[in-house]
Amino acid sequence: EAGVAQSPRYKIIEKRQSVAFWCNPISGHATLYWYQQILGQGPKLLIQFQNNGVVDDSQLPKDRFSAERLKGVDSTLKIQPAKLEDSAVYLCASSSLPQTGTGYTFGSGTRLTVV
Amino acid sequence: KQEVTQIPAALSVPEGENLVLNCSFTDSAIYNLQWFRQDPGKGLTSLLLIQSSQREQTSGRLNASLDKSSGRSTLYIAASQPGDSATYLCAVRDNYGQNFVFGPGTRLSVLP
Repeated sequence: EAGVAQSPRYKIIEKRQSVAFWCNPISGHATLYWYQQILGQGPKLLIQFQNNGVVDDSQLPKDRFSAERLKGVDSTLKIQPAKLEDSAVYLCASSSLPQTGTGYTFGSGTRLTVV
Repeated sequence: KQEVTQIPAALSVPEGENLVLNCSFTDSAIYNLQWFRQDPGKGLTSLLLIQSSQREQTSGRLNASLDKSSGRSTLYIAASQPGDSATYLCAVRDNYGQNFVFGPGTRLSVLP
């Protein structure tokens, strides 16, 4: 079974620029998550999708972050404009059984550095 | 609001030692608790999942316990090996949502 694919692996941008990350979940996983992991901290949920609908985006800074999941498969997370404090690893995960908390698979993440 | 803490933040031990990692959470109304492993530059790998009705789970050299009433979980690693070097994250899922709240992790180094 292929894992969760994310790209790019690394990105360096200047503050106020925009950036986009891409995630391809495991085939058949209806639930997709984007997490932000700042150095030295645990991952923090940004947004959860069920198919192509948003289940939870309460912690997404909507003034600069946006995410979409067209056709309920791939997803993109965008930051515009980026700030220094957005430097972090952005992890995508998918799950087939979100109600039980099992079956989570994480991607390797995209490391963003904002300078 | 659920908060999860982990101690110690970092740990360095010689190979072969038995060790304990600690996790605390503020709201005892949890659905389950999960321990993850994170290697540098990699995503998270689930190690053990404990349901709220369970007291412990075991997998090989790993044993995780849960004391929901006191808001604590421990991960016990027996006979540590250099390959166990990684960051270990504790995450709790509450009764209200489908998402995990993660602790900051314990960075473990096992020296050969």
